[in-house]
Amino acid sequence: GNSVTQMEGPVTLSEEAFLTINCTYTATGYPSLFWYVQYPGEGLQLLLKATKADDKGSNKGFEATYRKETTSFHLEKGSVQVSDSAVYFCALSRSSGGSNYKLTFGKGTLLTVNP
Amino acid sequence: DGGITQSPKYLFRKEGQNVTLSCEQNLNHDAMYWYRQDPGQGLRLIYYSQIVNDFQKGDIAEGYSVSREKKESFPLTVTSAQKNPTAFYLCASSIDSPWNTEAFFGQGTRLTVV
Repeated sequence: GNSVTQMEGPVTLSEEAFLTINCTYTATGYPSLFWYVQYPGEGLQLLLKATKADDKGSNKGFEATYRKETTSFHLEKGSVQVSDSAVYFCALSRSSGGSNYKLTFGKGTLLTVNP
Repeated sequence: DGGITQSPKYLFRKEGQNVTLSCEQNLNHDAMYWYRQDPGQGLRLIYYSQIVNDFQKGDIAEGYSVSREKKESFPLTVTSAQKNPTAFYLCASSIDSPWNTEAFFGQGTRLTVV
């Protein structure tokens, strides 16, 4: 079945440091890939997405490239801020049969950025 | 503003009681989902619905029930059969097309069994 594996946290960085959160997936065919962010006590918000191989999703300084050859979708940011502290989820969307496209999430990575 | 509204934000339940969590959306989305979030376990799918009057079990449906009588509403009932109901519950909706399965989430309901 479909699955998403992302690096375990927590990840603690100083402000302006470089961020990488690794994400790999297992799925047949060509899933769409997503990164969601969850701030404390809130629901998830879409951060960025990519729907086909070699696409790069980007938003708020975050980037991720859909690499089919390595089945990866690593999240990067060149200079993190304290306000980036949150839990980050990698997810894929793939049909489970018929027209139903369900999201499968990784376990989440807690990022803490210190001033 | 369009969005998803979950209520209540916090809910306390005595053991042996059923409770219902509300989820309403005004995004005109066909698909709706319920996820359970536990520390260290990520999000696990409880139930989902693609259209009105139809829903499917997710990965952890035991002890839960849902209904989808209206497009806008997808309430989740946590029954007494759910052995460990304390968790953070998230409702989501999406267009459910092959190219745009971006999900929009509510703010969540934190359920605690006392």
